[in-house]
Amino acid sequence: GNSVTQMEGPVTLSEEAFLTINCTYTATGYPSLFWYVQYPGEGLQLLLKATKADDKGSNKGFEATYRKETTSFHLEKGSVQVSDSAVYFCALRSGSARQLTFGSGTQLTVLP
Amino acid sequence: EAQVTQNPRYLITVTGKKLTVTCSQNMNHEYMSWYRQDPGLGLRQIYYSMNVEVTDKGDVPEGYKVSRKEKRNFPLILESPSPNQTSLYFCASNPWGQGGNEQFFGPGTRLTVL
Repeated sequence: GNSVTQMEGPVTLSEEAFLTINCTYTATGYPSLFWYVQYPGEGLQLLLKATKADDKGSNKGFEATYRKETTSFHLEKGSVQVSDSAVYFCALRSGSARQLTFGSGTQLTVLP
Repeated sequence: EAQVTQNPRYLITVTGKKLTVTCSQNMNHEYMSWYRQDPGLGLRQIYYSMNVEVTDKGDVPEGYKVSRKEKRNFPLILESPSPNQTSLYFCASNPWGQGGNEQFFGPGTRLTVL
């Protein structure tokens, strides 16, 4: 079956630090990959996505590249801000399935 | 404004007292689903619906029921809640089509079962 493994948190960084949150997956077929963000007290919002190998998704300074050879979709940002403090979820959808399979989430706290 | 709404946002109840959490979307999406979010486990799908009168079990359906009588509404029913159903619940919807479609989430319902 499908599964997503994320690096365990929590992650605490200082403002302007470099961020990497690792995500690897197992899936049948050719999945679409997503990063969702959950700000405190809110629902999940799509941050970025990639639908085929070597695609790079990007949004709000975050980016992630779909690496089929390493089955990875690591999230990166060059300079984090306090407002980036949130929980980040890696997810996949495989083939014709409509279900999203989520990782366990990574709590990010950015200190001023 | 395109959105998924859930009610109530917060609910404290007692074991065995039936409850319903409502979910509604105004985007004419075919696909709707319910997730529960628990620490360290991420989001796990409870039930989903591919269209009106079409529902199916997700990964953790035990203790839950759903119905899809109208396209826009997808209520989650707990006939006899138990403390292990204390969780944060999210409703989501997305259009039918390619797998890359974004799933839109409601704001969440925090349920405590005493």
